[in-house]
Amino acid sequence: DGGITQSPKYLFRKEGQNVTLSCEQNLNHDAMYWYRQDPGQGLRLIYYSQIVNDFQKGDIAEGYSVSREKKESFPLTVTSAQKNPTAFYLCASSINALGSSYNEQFFGPGTRLTVL
Amino acid sequence: KQEVTQIPAALSVPEGENLVLNCSFTDSAIYNLQWFRQDPGKGLTSLLLIQSSQREQTSGRLNASLDKSSGRSTLYIAASQPGDSATYLCAVTQGGSEKLVFGKGTKLTVNP
Repeated sequence: DGGITQSPKYLFRKEGQNVTLSCEQNLNHDAMYWYRQDPGQGLRLIYYSQIVNDFQKGDIAEGYSVSREKKESFPLTVTSAQKNPTAFYLCASSINALGSSYNEQFFGPGTRLTVL
Repeated sequence: KQEVTQIPAALSVPEGENLVLNCSFTDSAIYNLQWFRQDPGKGLTSLLLIQSSQREQTSGRLNASLDKSSGRSTLYIAASQPGDSATYLCAVTQGGSEKLVFGKGTKLTVNP
C-alpha cells in the first residue's frame, strides 16, 4: 500500500522545546517537501529536498531544520527559535523529474502541532 | 513573485448543480497547475494536474482547464454531490523551480 505517512497526527509542545515531525514515503520519490498551513492562508513551503543528503530552504525556513539521510524519510524539527509554531504541517513528495511539466506532488495526512 | 488567487473564497450550492471554481495566477511561466481537494483536518488529495502544454484534463465528473496566456484555470464539477463538500486548492509549479505556489482555496458546500 503505497503512500506518505506522517506521525504523530497530533503533537503538543511546551514553549522552549524542540519537536520532530516524521514523514515517510514508499513511493520511491526523489523529492520531498514540508509545508505549513495556517487558517486563512495558503500553504507555505518550509524546506524541500530533491535528493538524498541535499535540501533547500523554502519561503519560511527560519526556526525549522530538516535532514534527508534516507530517500524514504524527511523529518522536520521545529525548534524553540520558531516564534509561532502552532499550525498544521503537511509533508509531500514527487518523482522530481527536474524541469518536467509532469511532476505531481502527493501529500501526507498532516500533523497538527499545538504549543501550550 | 508568483501569486495565486482563488475566487470565490466560499461557495454553497444545492445538490445536482454544475459549478465552476476559478483560479488565477500572475506569472504565466509555469510548468503545470494542480487542483487539490482538502477535507477538514486532513491532508491534500491531488485531483488533476494540467501540464503547461495542455488545455484541459478530465477525471470523472471533474474537468480542469488551463489558459496560460491569461493566467487562468477553472475546475468544473458536474452534478455536484454532498460528498464533494471540501476546500479546493489550486497550485502552480513555477518555471525553473520545483516549488508549488498555492492559492488560499475555495470552500465548497453542497447541500442535500
